[in-house]
Amino acid sequence: GAGVSQSPSNKVTEKGKDVELRCDPISGHTALYWYRQRLGQGLEFLIYFQGNSAPDKSGLPSDRFSAERTGESVSTLTIQRTQQEDSAVYLCASSFLPGAPFEKLFFGSGTQLSVL
Amino acid sequence: TQLLEQSPQFLSIQEGENLTVYCNSSSVFSSLQWYRQEPGEGPVLLVTVVTGGEVKKLKRLTFQFGDARKDSSLHITAAQPGDTGLYLCAGGTNTGNQFYFGTGTSLTVIP
Repeated sequence: GAGVSQSPSNKVTEKGKDVELRCDPISGHTALYWYRQRLGQGLEFLIYFQGNSAPDKSGLPSDRFSAERTGESVSTLTIQRTQQEDSAVYLCASSFLPGAPFEKLFFGSGTQLSVL
Repeated sequence: TQLLEQSPQFLSIQEGENLTVYCNSSSVFSSLQWYRQEPGEGPVLLVTVVTGGEVKKLKRLTFQFGDARKDSSLHITAAQPGDTGLYLCAGGTNTGNQFYFGTGTSLTVIP
């Protein structure tokens, strides 16, 4: 596709269950970011992948959160034993000029996660 | 943590009015971006500024990067209902592995 694709668009789960969120970046984009956005607020950095380099996991809020990326393609964000405070929109972004002054992030539409 | 504070947090104005949104930090950034986000969508980049004191204009929108590269402003002239959305600033660093997003300004333009 032409843009960043995220699935599912909405996910409702019960407290304690595991969830997996998927991101398909734009083809050729070497950098991939995950962000979390609580209702009406700014974006909270979670994790960054760039090519074959070790990911920057400094934003992951707890060890219940993990993410993987296969090469320069699909990424999955996994949240284990979900808690109500995990409810938020999870946004994925990709870019092809990581580190350049005019790097542009292309965002997906996000996954709205609701933990009951 | 490099925090970017935006003000105001919420803004509701009548069509045709002017407004300014501020983005402030105690940290220096190599670049500063502004994004607009509509409900149910991801943010979309409006502009990138990289030089202290730089001013960029896009139609009715004027963006300014502070001389010390710690702050920025977005000015909208003659606001229109289509300008409604969440405006986010984001600071970039030389390491390039993270953009620090601001707290956001929710703008509503009433017809």
